[in-house]
Amino acid sequence: DTEVTQTPKHLVMGMTNKKSLKCEQHMGHRAMYWYKQKAKKPPELMFVYSYEKLSINESVPSRFSPECPNSSLLNLHLHALQPEDSALYLCASSQDPGQMLGYTFGSGTRLTVV
Amino acid sequence: KNQVEQSPQSLIILEGKNCTLQCNYTVSPFSNLRWYKQDTGRGPVSLTIMTFSENTKSNGRYTATLDADTKQSSLHITASQLSDSASYICVVSLSIYGGATNKLIFGTGTLLAVQP
Repeated sequence: DTEVTQTPKHLVMGMTNKKSLKCEQHMGHRAMYWYKQKAKKPPELMFVYSYEKLSINESVPSRFSPECPNSSLLNLHLHALQPEDSALYLCASSQDPGQMLGYTFGSGTRLTVV
Repeated sequence: KNQVEQSPQSLIILEGKNCTLQCNYTVSPFSNLRWYKQDTGRGPVSLTIMTFSENTKSNGRYTATLDADTKQSSLHITASQLSDSASYICVVSLSIYGGATNKLIFGTGTLLAVQP
């Protein structure tokens, strides 16, 4: 298995809803990442998990809450989002946080906040 | 400031033709340089990755070059196909925390359209 799997592929949520994005990899990678990508812009790093611990938080608003239950799973919990949070959310993983070998992106979750 | 600039912003070519995309970077300390292909609404897919000591790497019809002295890279696509239509992103890996962690610095991409 050489993939990073993200679910759901599409999500529409209201500003008062609570939802979660899920990311899974079974490549034995020990670093996992969340990115936000707006249309025609490059991905922006949100969070980095290294060996299941949060190592980088790029000053992301608290309405985004990451969680790494185990080495294969990464969640992004969403609460009280704003319409401007609508974007493609990408998960990625790599063998390690240093050399970042085998860096692989998932296909993304298209999030629309209404 | 750590930056990655790509040119052109967009490019239209006819099927079967070759093209070259450019990437200039001012990232330090440099770890490696990657080229990704991203279809609209999908995640980026890795094409090549080059370290400081490598100056060319191929992946099928894609050939990337790296000049670490001038901090320039190019991606050459040979015999383009309609399926090559996508955004091509140059990404430079920045070594931080003494190399314990790397951070990816993304270029803004070149949008390639291959027409029949």
